[in-house]
Amino acid sequence: AQTVTQSQPEMSVQEAETVTLSCTYDTSESDYYLFWYKQPPSRQMILVIRQEAYKQQNATENRFSVNFQKAAKSFSLKISDSQLGDAAMYFCAYRSPILTGGGNKLTFGTGTQLKVEL
Amino acid sequence: DSGVTQTPKHLITATGQRVTLRCSPRSGDLSVYWYQQSLDQGLQFLIQYYNGEERAKGNILERFSAQQFPDLHSELNLSSLELGDSALYFCASSVDLGRSYEQYFGPGTRLTVT
Repeated sequence: AQTVTQSQPEMSVQEAETVTLSCTYDTSESDYYLFWYKQPPSRQMILVIRQEAYKQQNATENRFSVNFQKAAKSFSLKISDSQLGDAAMYFCAYRSPILTGGGNKLTFGTGTQLKVEL
Repeated sequence: DSGVTQTPKHLITATGQRVTLRCSPRSGDLSVYWYQQSLDQGLQFLIQYYNGEERAKGNILERFSAQQFPDLHSELNLSSLELGDSALYFCASSVDLGRSYEQYFGPGTRLTVT
């Protein structure tokens, strides 16, 4: 079974600065998908960014980018120019390839609470 | 707004009771997933339906059941409720065609069992 580990329960960043959230995972599969979800105080789960394991290029979405190290099974999220609205719980998630026997469920890490300070 | 709707937003009920949570997926999405978020267990996958059929089961209790109807909306039924069932229940949907794989989450139903 796949596991996802987020070893940083809490992180803080100054507004306009850059912060990196860590995530490692364990899998025996070679093709899979990785995601970062954001959960603000409203509790809504918002997709931030995705990465396909077969792509070597790191995904980027505006101020959000990832550092995907497949051999190390590491998937970190970098937030540049942090804003107050970035304050939230961030979850790393793993998904097996589509139509495998285990379905397409997301396996989540325990989350990292990001605080943004003025 | 993700396009996934869930009702009700909040539910307060007593131990031993039965409740039904409802989810309407995004237009065109064939898969519906149910997740439970609790302080003890974190975010856990419960069950997936794809085009009306059960596709995968996770850590879903026997007291819980789900179904997906022909119009693709889904219901999660929780019975013989216990205090430990208090949690935020999310529904998510995705297309699951080709390499489309993002899951979009609804706002959740917060269940409180007293």
